[in-house]
Amino acid sequence: AQSVAQPEDQVNVAEGNPLTVKCTYSVSGNPYLFWYVQYPNRGLQFLLKYITGDNLVKGSYGFEAEFNKSQTSFHLKKPSALVSDSALYFCAVRDIRNTDKLIFGTGTRLQVFP
Amino acid sequence: DAGITQSPRYKITETGRQVTLMCHQTWSHSYMFWYRQDLGHGLRLIYYSAAADITDKGEVPDGYVVSRSKTENFPLTLESATRSQTSVYFCASSESGSGANVLTFGAGSRLTVL
Repeated sequence: AQSVAQPEDQVNVAEGNPLTVKCTYSVSGNPYLFWYVQYPNRGLQFLLKYITGDNLVKGSYGFEAEFNKSQTSFHLKKPSALVSDSALYFCAVRDIRNTDKLIFGTGTRLQVFP
Repeated sequence: DAGITQSPRYKITETGRQVTLMCHQTWSHSYMFWYRQDLGHGLRLIYYSAAADITDKGEVPDGYVVSRSKTENFPLTLESATRSQTSVYFCASSESGSGANVLTFGAGSRLTVL
């Protein structure tokens, strides 16, 4: 079955430290992978995506993600966290059975402490 | 203003009542989606539409009805609301459904069923 997993419900990091939000996927074929962010009382916003090409993808607000095919992972990273990065982060993968749709993970809450 | 708007933003209703959540987008995007967001489940797709008069079920369609008579509008109706339908509902749109395109989300509608 196709799925995407975010193993951590919450990640805590101090401001200025690097952050990683983990995502692993299980799909057949070549995955299309996405990260979205949700700030309080707002809809989700697109951060970045991997379709093909360079395994390191750069996105909005200084975030980047590394596609690792052997580990079936697509972890979100940022070299230096800001308090304003505190939000809910969702990983998503394209549904191979119906490529019109995305399958979302359960989300990881990132808390950056000053 | 351009964008995707949802109404109402907050709604409290009683079990058995009919409720309609509205979604309007100004980009003339072909695809529109309805998701529900619940703790521990992330985002789950309820229904989606590839174009006017074309709709299809998502992961959790039971108890919901959609229509799309115009490209810009995609209302979601709960015909007889149940407590299990208490959730935050998000509408989204995308230019196409290739799976590589970015979803743009509305701000959400928080529904409480008493």
